Amino acid sequence: AQSVTQLGSHVSVSEGALVLLRCNYSSSVPPYLFWYVQYPNQGLQLLLKYTSAATLVKGINGFEAEFKKSETSFHLTKPSAHMSDAAEYFCAVSEGATNKLIFGTGTLLAVQP
Amino acid sequence: GAVVSQHPSWVICKSGTSVKIECRSLDFQATTMFWYRQFPKQSLMLMATSNEGSKATYEQGVEKDKFLINHASLTLSTLTVTSAHPEDSSFYICSAYGQGKISGANVLTFGAGSRLTVL
Repeated sequence: AQSVTQLGSHVSVSEGALVLLRCNYSSSVPPYLFWYVQYPNQGLQLLLKYTSAATLVKGINGFEAEFKKSETSFHLTKPSAHMSDAAEYFCAVSEGATNKLIFGTGTLLAVQP
Repeated sequence: GAVVSQHPSWVICKSGTSVKIECRSLDFQATTMFWYRQFPKQSLMLMATSNEGSKATYEQGVEKDKFLINHASLTLSTLTVTSAHPEDSSFYICSAYGQGKISGANVLTFGAGSRLTVL
């Protein structure tokens, strides 16, 4: 069975500071990994995904994530936080290309002025 | 780009009534659609997977007679919450997977969600 653990349900950073959202996964097969962002009362928007190609994945809005097999991690980073980055972020894993996503519990990012 | 439309975005109904939520892929044919449920301030829980023309596969613990899923065409899947009760109040989100008509690439896209409130 696959699973995703997101450490830290709430993360607060200052505007301009580094954003680091943690995600660890468990999978018995090579995983596909995703990061999604959700704004209040809206659906999910894909930030980036890892599908067994380059381990450093660049996404939209300046976000990137690095797949580290040895650490079973896929942490999301952004060098400089912007107020508009305040949202809920979900890490997800799928069993290869099944597209059946298992989501983590989410991390609510707050950006302080 | 691939767009998935969900309707209605908000619905309020009385306890005991049934509610239907539609999920449409607007510019691609969705061979597979997924339905998720999200409780307030919680993550998305996969309810079921539906492939066009076949019965949906439900996740463990999801009542198939309570949450009826139909995927009769490559662009439409519906979720019907039967005899809704207040505990069914939630945010329901669908995702669709298929081949884009223009790009030809496979895409997985989420709808904007449907918020159900049962009084």
